[in-house]
Amino acid sequence: GQQLNQSPQSMFIQEGEDVSMNCTSSSIFNTWLWYKQDPGEGPVLLIALYKAGELTSNGRLTAQFGITRKDSFLNISASIPSDVGIYFCAGQLGSNYQLIWGAGTKLIIKP
Amino acid sequence: EADIYQTPRYLVIGTGKKITLECSQTMGHDKMYWYQQDPGMELHLIHYSYGVNSTEKGDLSSESTVSRIRTEHFPLTLESARPSHTSQYLCASSAPGQGLGTQYFGPGTRLTVL
Repeated sequence: GQQLNQSPQSMFIQEGEDVSMNCTSSSIFNTWLWYKQDPGEGPVLLIALYKAGELTSNGRLTAQFGITRKDSFLNISASIPSDVGIYFCAGQLGSNYQLIWGAGTKLIIKP
Repeated sequence: EADIYQTPRYLVIGTGKKITLECSQTMGHDKMYWYQQDPGMELHLIHYSYGVNSTEKGDLSSESTVSRIRTEHFPLTLESARPSHTSQYLCASSAPGQGLGTQYFGPGTRLTVL
């Protein structure tokens, strides 16, 4: 089936550092979504991208829809302790309302 | 942003019991979804609905069933719970007017079957 490759699988960073993660696929997507999930909670939508090349910010978060429509990245600037969690990318193919999900990037802030 | 509710948040139950996980949304979204997720792992779609009286199975085989009698309500039922059903169950909804495919999630139900 369709697959998204999300990397890195986990990140250990210092508070204040910038963070970058990405998702790639061999398929062309119409929509890219980035979610954050805290332990025991449902994923919360961070950024939605609908057009190739689109660059969208949400506070310290910035995400881009790749020009080829096969990839997307998420950057977090000046990380803070509440950024800890699992970040998931998800993409939509064609007119199917189902999402293809990445395996997640676990963000851990070193004390 | 969607308001979507799931009850119970936590459930511990014995093997063989019948359970129903509730999911309701108040935004009038036509599409609703159930995902199964083991802690820290990726989400697996088990059921979805594109509207009232419409239900389909997702990519992950599941022994659960769903119904969609009302737009706002999408319950999931396990007729006979087993330890292999232990997982987190997430409900989501989406509407075309808010961007194709954008899904909003409830807080989840953490199910433990003993």
